[in-house]
Formats: sequence, C-alpha cells, structure tokens
Amino acid sequence: SAVISQKPSRDICQRGTSLTIQCQVDSQVTMMFWYRQQPGQSLTLIATANQGSEATYESGFVIDKFPISRPNLTFSTLTVSNMSPEDSSIYLCSVEVGAWYNEQFFGPGTRLTVL
Amino acid sequence: KNQVEQSPQSLIILEGKNCTLQCNYTVSPFSNLRWYKQDTGRGPVSLTIMTFSENTKSNGRYTATLDADTKQSSLHITASQLSDSASYICVVGGRGSTLGRLYFGRGTQLTVWP
Repeated sequence: SAVISQKPSRDICQRGTSLTIQCQVDSQVTMMFWYRQQPGQSLTLIATANQGSEATYESGFVIDKFPISRPNLTFSTLTVSNMSPEDSSIYLCSVEVGAWYNEQFFGPGTRLTVL
Repeated sequence: KNQVEQSPQSLIILEGKNCTLQCNYTVSPFSNLRWYKQDTGRGPVSLTIMTFSENTKSNGRYTATLDADTKQSSLHITASQLSDSASYICVVGGRGSTLGRLYFGRGTQLTVWP
C-alpha cells in the first residue's frame, strides 16, 4: 500500500494568482498522477509524472497552466497557474503500486476555490 | 467511446438496510474493474479490484460482482451503517490499446439515515 499526504488541504485564492500543491508519498514510486475532480463529476487525469522526465499531459491540459515537478521518487508538485473560477475543484495526487494490474492509491485531495 | 456509467446517481437508505449500486462500462479491451469509496473531503479508497476472470469479490460488508460478457458490475452493501455514507466510484482499467488507462464513473452518492 501507499500513504499519501497533500498540502494544502484547501485554499481560497484570487483570480490571476497561482497555487502550488504538494504531494508526498511514504514509499518510492515510479509513477505519480494528478487528477482533477469537479463538483458532481468523475475524476479527470491531468498528467502523469515520472521522476527524471517531463510530465505527460492529457488532452485539454497544458504545461503552462499546470506545471508539474517530480524531483524524486516520493514527491511531486502541481501548480495551478493564472487561476480563474473555472479552476475551482478538488485536485488529487495518486500513485500506482503493484505488479500486474496496479492498485491506485489517492491522496486526501486539495480543495481549491478561486474567487 | 470508452465510458463508465453508474446508477443511481444518488441513493438514500435507512441504517441496517442493504443496497446495490450499478456500473455499466464500454471500455474495451478490459482488464480490471475497481470500486472505490470516497468520503466527503477525502480521497477515494479502494474497496475491491476484480480482473476479467473474476466474477465476485468481497471486502467485509461490501460484495462486488462482475459480468464481463454484459460489461456490468454491481456493488452490494449489506447491513448498512451511517459510516457508509459516501460516494462510490466505479473505475475500469484497460489493457492492450487502453493499457494503463483508468476510466472513472461519476459515482453514486449514498446517504444512510439513522
């Protein structure tokens, strides 16, 4: 299993500012994932972050808006840049653990409100 | 198009009663199906994972079934408790051309009343 912590747990931000969300895992993992969960919606994958390489972004998400860092095997950050009210959402960090079908563990999420 | 549909969208039951949540998917090729529980303000927590060769799996009062032929799954909760109030999310994992991808349903919001 994996235990994941995120900081901050929630924040209220002004339009046009940026917020960096931190994700810490209690074990070394190869792949880390960042998801967005808008109210009443399913989880949407933003990007996959591998240590030592550029993050891979899903369609509709770009690096300028959601820059990601992955400095080591236990830590990652997601920045939400130039925020607008449409960015209000829960942002979740996730890791995969396993050999065949990988079980996915999620962090507690960061609830972001943009005014 | 690879999709995961859950029903009902929301459900209210009395404490002690049983309930069944449904999940239909169109993901192909299919590898595995997962049920997660997400408490308000928390991240999803895995309840069960089933591969295409399994048709039932239990985790305490939670029992998941899978029919890979009809692409349907259900999550049955027995003797519900107030702590079962949460969103239950069905997630389907792909293989082959969809290897490594997860497809998420919108969840069923369950409320258990005393």
